[in-house]
Parts: sequence; structure tokens; C-alpha cells
Amino acid sequence: ELKVEQNPLFLSMQEGKNYTIYCNYSTTSDRLYWYRQDPGKSLESLFVLLSNGAVKQEGRLMASLDTKARLSTLHITAAVHDLSATYFCAVDENFGNEKLTFGTGTRLTIIP
Amino acid sequence: DAMVIQNPRYQVTQFGKPVTLSCSQTLNHNVMYWYQQKSSQAPKLLFHYYDKDFNNEADTPDNFQSRRPNTSFCFLDIRSPGLGDAAMYLCATSRDPVQGALRGAYNEQFFGPGTRLTVL
Repeated sequence: ELKVEQNPLFLSMQEGKNYTIYCNYSTTSDRLYWYRQDPGKSLESLFVLLSNGAVKQEGRLMASLDTKARLSTLHITAAVHDLSATYFCAVDENFGNEKLTFGTGTRLTIIP
Repeated sequence: DAMVIQNPRYQVTQFGKPVTLSCSQTLNHNVMYWYQQKSSQAPKLLFHYYDKDFNNEADTPDNFQSRRPNTSFCFLDIRSPGLGDAAMYLCATSRDPVQGALRGAYNEQFFGPGTRLTVL
């Protein structure tokens, strides 16, 4: 059974600081997705990572994938309050499988 | 704009009174999913349709049923809601992930805005 773990589960950081959220998964996969969820809202797709070494950046967020280590990171640079949300990673379990396995989520709070 | 639409956005029902949530999509995607999400938890997959093929998760209670009358619409029926069924219900779609994977594509899922279900 595929397990996807994120850490930390909760992260409170000051504006302007840098931090990284980690997503570990337990089986071979080269497709990983990051989603953002604001309180009471739905999930918004942030990044799609499709190969070992893939790196995607959007504004102050950068995601990377290391399939050999079965690890993805979401790096936040110079955090701003608008980035406060819960971030989920999700993994394709098998080639061509239409299901995703979601991580536990990281609730990020940016303090002014 | 192509999108995933859920109705209603908020639903209040009484304990044991059947309720139906609806999802429609203009993306023409093959796969439609229903997730249940409780506070501070990850979304939990209830079932999904790959075209007309229904796929139920092993731990989805019998109280939950689904219908997909055509490509665009999918419904979630809760036959006898209990207090524990209060949650956000999320509908999602994806393109043909199997054939897409063979062409090097992927299974990005697009989510609707959700329906918040309250059970009194």
C-alpha cells in the first residue's frame, strides 16, 4: 500500500523567511502533484512533477522531485501572508493508474 | 472557461434524510471522482468513474452511492446521512490517465469548489 507522508504537519513562519515542506512516498513513482487548499475552499493545482530531477517554480514557491529518494520538496522563499494555506502532495501509485494518494497535508501559517 | 461545478455549495439535511450532491464538468474528461474531506484531513476517495466504469473504494460505506448518467454529470447519493457524514464533498476530474500515461501525460486532477454538508 502506497504511503505518502508530509512534514511538518503544521508550520508557522514569519513573513520574509524561507522554509521547505517535505513529501516522502513509499513506492516507485515519477509523477507527483502539489495542491493548495485555502480554509473552507477546494484544492487548487500548483505543480505537476513528471520526472526525476523535475523542478517547477511559480512566484515564491518552488517544487522539486527526486524519484530515487522518493522525495519531493516545496520550498517557500521570502514568505508572504497570502501563502497561508494547507499544502498537499499527491502521488500516482502505478503507471496509468487513475487514482492519487494524498499526503497528510501541511498547514502553513505566515505571521506578519 | 472549462470548469468543474458542484451544486449546491452548502447542503443541510436531517439525520437519515437522503441527499444528492451534483457535479458537472465542461472539461470533457473521462474520469470523475468523489472525495470526502473532513476538517484538517486529506481528501478521502470514495469512488470514481472511468467513463462508465464504476470503481468503489473498499472502505466506502454502502450508504454512499453514485451515478454518472453521461460524461458531463456525476451524482453522489447519501441514502441515510449520519452525523459522521458531515464533511466537505469534493468532485474532481481528470483526462484519460491510462491512455494519457502511454503518451507521457499524467493524472492531474481538477477539483470543483466542493459541497459542505451539514447533518442535523
